[in-house]
Amino acid sequence: DTGVSQDPRHKITKRGQNVTFRCDPISEHNRLYWYRQTLGQGPEFLTYFQNEAQLEKSRLLSDRFSAERPKGSFSTLEIQRTEQGDSAMYLCASSLAPGPAYEQYFGPGTRLTVT
Amino acid sequence: AQSVTQLDSHVSVSEGTPVLLRCNYSSSYSPSLFWYVQHPNKGLQLLLKYTSAATLVKGINGFEAEFKKSETSFHLTKPSAHMSDAAEYFCVVSVRYGNKLVFGAGTILRVKS
Repeated sequence: DTGVSQDPRHKITKRGQNVTFRCDPISEHNRLYWYRQTLGQGPEFLTYFQNEAQLEKSRLLSDRFSAERPKGSFSTLEIQRTEQGDSAMYLCASSLAPGPAYEQYFGPGTRLTVT
Repeated sequence: AQSVTQLDSHVSVSEGTPVLLRCNYSSSYSPSLFWYVQHPNKGLQLLLKYTSAATLVKGINGFEAEFKKSETSFHLTKPSAHMSDAAEYFCVVSVRYGNKLVFGAGTILRVKS
């Protein structure tokens, strides 16, 4: 399978714990995006990378959130001191830029539940 | 700022009848617009995209959408619904070329047999 993969698919954690999610994009894609989707809503943009550079962060990305893409391949999203409001589906997407094939391809997501 | 409004949160159709999912957009420049579909427990899949070429865009699985600048609309249609079309559909606008996507709230399509 050469699509976007995310690990883990599900994570249950207690409030105050730290969690880390991983995203592996399509191998030739240089852009990688993180989105968050809460129940009954569409996904909301969090941040994106072009290669290893983080080019934009949403206001939704509080200082408890940090994302990295150290070698321009996979990415990690860490949430420190989790809160119940962090419970959501975290989606990763990748794309080629800036060429015509710029649509974003999404992974299956990581569902986070904070108890 | 760019935004999209999906006019119906739920749409119910009978199998074999036409599907219409409505979307209006707001953009300060010529937008790129997309429809994505999300089946339960599966990732988002691109149905079709509009990027200032032909105003009638054909996508996968028989879906198409028409860009109407005068109405700021990008409605999704399909002539004949199939049971497998039951899913949640998102209208999406991109902020500048290929950067972040702004999603609508979604329309859940139910197909009755």
